[in-house]
Amino acid sequence: SYELTQPPSVSVSPGQTAKITCSGDALPKKYAYWYQQKSGQAPALVIYEDRRRPSGIPQRFSGSSSGTTATLTISGAQVEDEADYYCYSTDNSGNHRVFGGGTKLTVL
Amino acid sequence: QVQLQQWGAGLLKPSETLSLTCGVFNGSFTNYYWSWVRQAPGKGLEWIGEISDSGKGNHNPSLKSRVTISVDKSKNQFSLSLTSVTAADTAVYYCARGRWVVVGGTVVWFDSWGQGTLVTVSS
Repeated sequence: SYELTQPPSVSVSPGQTAKITCSGDALPKKYAYWYQQKSGQAPALVIYEDRRRPSGIPQRFSGSSSGTTATLTISGAQVEDEADYYCYSTDNSGNHRVFGGGTKLTVL
Repeated sequence: QVQLQQWGAGLLKPSETLSLTCGVFNGSFTNYYWSWVRQAPGKGLEWIGEISDSGKGNHNPSLKSRVTISVDKSKNQFSLSLTSVTAADTAVYYCARGRWVVVGGTVVWFDSWGQGTLVTVSS
């Protein structure tokens, strides 16, 4: 079955840039999406179609994708950005959706 | 602003059938994929499956034939049924609205979520 691979954890100090990667064989042909999940809450979309930002998401959140790796970048991370981040995409068949294992972002 | 509100039994015994329903309020029911995602305690998100408003569906192959997702357009609701549950099915279950784009096939992504329902399977 198709898998998306993320680092389990990323840690930065406030104001620094956090980068979370997501690797998957189908990413050269399929969009990546990024979800933020804070403790006890439902996930929330922060990036869609590799690099597009939904309304209401701060500009410090950005996305990119190159080859088999998609990257979520948080420029000037803030304490309130502490959360689990999940990448999401579709396999090559186009029929099955997959989440990455999640990355816990610590900002302190 | 669309709202998804979900309901269903929260405590099941092994071998029973999980049944959850999600109502869609303040938004169109057409031209979306209606989906279910779950999260076991302390674990990551797992896609369960989806159904379009026209009834076309897909589900996670790891769940084999235990999953049925149905839609009731007259009530703006969709439902999840998962048969023969075990302790491994204990999780928070989320319903979600899926938007879609055609890029080398149909890509579905979620822009609105229900509040989540904790389902515990225990004898």
